[in-house]
Amino acid sequence: DQQVKQNSPSLSVQEGRISILNCDYTNSMFDYFLWYKKYPAEGPTFLISISSIKDKNEDGRFTVFLNKSAKHLSLHIVPSQPGDSAVYFCAASAGNKLVFGAGTILRVKS
Amino acid sequence: ETGVTQTPRHLVMGMTNKKSLKCEQHLGHNAMYWYKQSAKKPLELMFVYSLEERVENNSVPSRFSPECPNSSHLFLHLHTLQPEDSALYLCASGQQYSAADTQYFGPGTRLTVL
Repeated sequence: DQQVKQNSPSLSVQEGRISILNCDYTNSMFDYFLWYKKYPAEGPTFLISISSIKDKNEDGRFTVFLNKSAKHLSLHIVPSQPGDSAVYFCAASAGNKLVFGAGTILRVKS
Repeated sequence: ETGVTQTPRHLVMGMTNKKSLKCEQHLGHNAMYWYKQSAKKPLELMFVYSLEERVENNSVPSRFSPECPNSSHLFLHLHTLQPEDSALYLCASGQQYSAADTQYFGPGTRLTVL
């Protein structure tokens, strides 16, 4: 029973356009959410996070939106660049433990 | 060397072998983690050590045995594994044992069990 779901295994976007990666969760106790990015042959690296007391957090080209009533969060990348091509993992926590989604492969075409 | 390193990067072993995965962090962190990532599945937390004490053991079979001899090193000892244990094993460290604390991951060990 996956508590964090990334329903799109992959996404392809043209360079310069917006990339929107989605994540749904089932546990209403989750209070902190993160996105990690992973390149091939490397470990995941932290990208951006959001606390449940907020509905938006922005860092440069990356914005995370949280909709608590829908138990949904999304990551927006604007504008998308070829170097953004990677696997993106959504993660959520209640307490100290992180629960990860299965990841979405983003391909940004130039 | 900086960051989190893992050795070996690739490992092929038979079901009767004994092997160990090594993780080393050069960040002065107090928490270390082992995760398993099977193909197209989420990262699964296996073990957590905080200040060299095991604080999480997520119902992992006893054929996986972790060891944390000091705050910089973490091992995963493998014994009589099954083919379904083939996966990417990722080590991570964090300043403290907290989900709000950024975890820094190593590149992983790709394990194949024949």
